[in-house]
Amino acid sequence: DIQMTQSPSSLSASVGDRVTITCRASQSISSYLNWYQQKPGKAPKLLIYAASSLQSGVPSRFSGSGSGTDFTLTISSLQPEDFATYYCQQSYSTLAFGQGTRLEIK
Amino acid sequence: QLQLQESGPGLVKPSETLSLTCTVSGGSISSSSYYWGWIRQPPGKGLEWIGSIYYSGSTYYNPSLKSRVTISVDTSKNQFSLKLSSVTAADTAVYYCARPLAVAGTDYGMDVWGQGTTVTVSS
Repeated sequence: DIQMTQSPSSLSASVGDRVTITCRASQSISSYLNWYQQKPGKAPKLLIYAASSLQSGVPSRFSGSGSGTDFTLTISSLQPEDFATYYCQQSYSTLAFGQGTRLEIK
Repeated sequence: QLQLQESGPGLVKPSETLSLTCTVSGGSISSSSYYWGWIRQPPGKGLEWIGSIYYSGSTYYNPSLKSRVTISVDTSKNQFSLKLSSVTAADTAVYYCARPLAVAGTDYGMDVWGQGTTVTVSS
């Protein structure tokens, strides 16, 4: 089974900051890596698919990069609505999520 | 606009079988090549993929749950279902059904989700 590890597990930042979250796979997953945003009481929302493709309707301040085993999600300038929990997920084999990164207001 | 809706009992006794149904509206479950999925989230914890099913009935499951999970599809009702046997308190969670984004015949992340349904395992 492929394990997904995110870091950090939590992060404090301010509006306007640039933030990066990393995700590492236990083996190569090519570019089969997706990122989600989840707010309390809501279903997750797909932000990025195939490592770097922006899902329709998602603001361009979100970007993804990486391939193989190491991936990053970057938010270029944090907005108030971006404070949430973020998950990576591999779709290379049987699906698996990272443990999540909680992004909090500093 | 495609919509998914989970339904089923909110309370299940330990050792019994949890049964949920996802009803698809705004589109046909068999009209496109998707693997429809179930995902769960225990209170205060992260997301866990349970398993997925193709409209033809082909399935694949999370290895950690495989011995207890059955996912089935009913194309005539535009529904797919989850059964999880021998439940314990650890199976208490919000259960979501979802459909992946398909690009050039390849499924990627889940881009359409149900609102989720809370299932509590307790006597």
